[in-house]
Amino acid sequence: GIQVEQSPPDLILQEGANSTLRCNFSDSVNNLQWFHQNPWGQLINLFYIPSGTKQNGRLSATTVATERYSLLYISSSQTTDSGVYFCAVYNAGNNRKLIWGLGTSLAVNP
Amino acid sequence: DAGVTQSPTHLIKTRGQQVTLRCSPKSGHDTVSWYQQALGQGPQFIFQYYEEEERQRGNFPDRFSGHQFPNYSSELNVNALLLGDSALYLCASSTRVFHQETQYFGPGTRLLVL
Repeated sequence: GIQVEQSPPDLILQEGANSTLRCNFSDSVNNLQWFHQNPWGQLINLFYIPSGTKQNGRLSATTVATERYSLLYISSSQTTDSGVYFCAVYNAGNNRKLIWGLGTSLAVNP
Repeated sequence: DAGVTQSPTHLIKTRGQQVTLRCSPKSGHDTVSWYQQALGQGPQFIFQYYEEEERQRGNFPDRFSGHQFPNYSSELNVNALLLGDSALYLCASSTRVFHQETQYFGPGTRLLVL
């Protein structure tokens, strides 16, 4: 089955710093989502981005489907950005179960 | 617009017992998926319901079963609980309208098996 790898596994930032999180996937996908899981466990949708670039405030994401990777950019990080960031995909075809990476654990210090 | 809701928020059971978790999807969504997330891991797909039928299933034993009702809400049942079933159980809803298949997650149910 499709494999999803995220890097780095852990990241510590000072407030105000920028960061880039990466998601590599091993096969063609027709859905890719980025999520933020807060310390209470709630998964929050950030982007639905099977291809192209999207921006939402301080966050933006780019997926290059032909090269099988996606990037999540966080600019001017804030302490509330702390948590785990997951990338999840459906592979091509009629399969609608999300396959998840192991996540990037982000800690933003004041 | 109500989001995905789950109940209960927390649950403590003992080995061998049975548990039922409930999920109401986001308004306008007709598909419900269930995931299990162990501590420090990513969510693992259990199964998905659409039109009151199980459409896809992950690598979970038959002790895990589910149901979807005509109003699209869903239940996850786990029989003969094991210590290893302790996890955060997440429900996600979506719609099968093409290009609108973003999954939205509820707050989860934390299950502890003693």
